[in-house]
Amino acid sequence: DAGITQSPRHKVTETGTPVTLRCHQTENHRYMYWYRQDPGHGLRLIHYSYGVKDTDKGEVSDGYSVSRSKTEDFLLTLESATSSQTSVYFCAISEQLGADSPLHFGNGTRLTVT
Amino acid sequence: GENVEQHPSTLSVQEGDSAVIKCTYSDSASNYFPWYKQELGKGPQLIIDIRSNVGEKKDQRIAVTLNKTAKHFSLHITETQPEDSAVYFCAARTAAGNKLTFGGGTRVLVKP
Repeated sequence: DAGITQSPRHKVTETGTPVTLRCHQTENHRYMYWYRQDPGHGLRLIHYSYGVKDTDKGEVSDGYSVSRSKTEDFLLTLESATSSQTSVYFCAISEQLGADSPLHFGNGTRLTVT
Repeated sequence: GENVEQHPSTLSVQEGDSAVIKCTYSDSASNYFPWYKQELGKGPQLIIDIRSNVGEKKDQRIAVTLNKTAKHFSLHITETQPEDSAVYFCAARTAAGNKLTFGGGTRVLVKP
């Protein structure tokens, strides 16, 4: 397994509270991604990073922000959690962009917003 | 943007039979098509991928075929075993390479 650790693995929080999910990698890969997984929707890209302090939006970025201060860490923040953000969140990494560099996923964080 | 449709959403097969999952994509510029397997409580794991310059690729009991003209690709699992039970995702990526678009997933159940 690729060296990706997501924390926490499970979290329950209340509507309106801030939440930060952490992804830590030991592979020294340049590219890191946050996806959310919902039934029937597969995995949808929230944000991704192409280097320290370099990030960009994915297809479902509203309500989320990210930060990457070190190569190994990529944080996903929900500034004010809503019930629609109840989901399983996956971090992924890749060495390069493009077809020769597949994504490797962590084991996910299950977030429940009550 | 790219749209990937995956069918069926659930698939039940008898052990030893074959399983086929089909995906269609919308962006003719897509050139990379991976398949991921996700077991319960874990993240998706890449099991096979194919690039647009290849029509078919095999790896032991799994194979993927690609029809660029029709913009669809399929995963074939032969001689299914109980450990093949999982959720499978197809995906497509364009030459720009920075975004992988996933299908909705297929839950495969192999009955002993």
